[in-house]
Amino acid sequence: EVQLVESGGGLVQPGGSLRVSCAASGFTVSSNFMTWVRQAPGKGLEWVSVIYSGGSTYYADSVKGRFTISRDNSKNTLYLQLNSLRVEDTAVYYCATAGWGHWGQGTLVTVSS
Amino acid sequence: DIQMTQSPSSLSASVGDRVTITCRTSQDISTFLNWYQQKPGKAPKLLIYGASNLQSGVPSRFSGSGSGTDFTLTITSLQPADFATYYCQYSYSTPPFTFGPGTKVDIK
Repeated sequence: EVQLVESGGGLVQPGGSLRVSCAASGFTVSSNFMTWVRQAPGKGLEWVSVIYSGGSTYYADSVKGRFTISRDNSKNTLYLQLNSLRVEDTAVYYCATAGWGHWGQGTLVTVSS
Repeated sequence: DIQMTQSPSSLSASVGDRVTITCRTSQDISTFLNWYQQKPGKAPKLLIYGASNLQSGVPSRFSGSGSGTDFTLTITSLQPADFATYYCQYSYSTPPFTFGPGTKVDIK
């Protein structure tokens, strides 16, 4: 059974950094397109970043240059490094798999002083 | 980038009603469109992919149609479990994978 479990969210000050993780089971992260989507409180869904099986990465303009997507094949885990955080980055961060059919439960990142 | 609009932004309906939600895109996206259902505090759930293909396990009262720039999600005979927010998404293989603003379906 495919399962995705996010972790690493928390409270961070503006300008700070955080790394969120997405531990996968039931499939191989490195063989699939993996993506991050976020949702600010009370708002809609916003695509954030993707990493393809070949290693290519892409980012939304709103996070380009500040966030970095990566994966650890030995741990079968996807990561999102969040740097230079802003108040407007406050959101629940979800990871999702190829085909968009499997999502994690999300992890809340709160950026506040 | 592709821009997505949804209408209506919200609607009130009764159990048993037929509900139709529309998604429009700023450019022709063929049938590269997904539909999701999201309930409060939960992750989105894929309902329809490729504009009209029902995801495994999704009840047949959900259907999708359209191509190009105009798409529709239809729920025939609305059930209590269907009260949620629905999002369309551009799903071609190249990002950005833009989502529509959402349509909230609540109880009349």
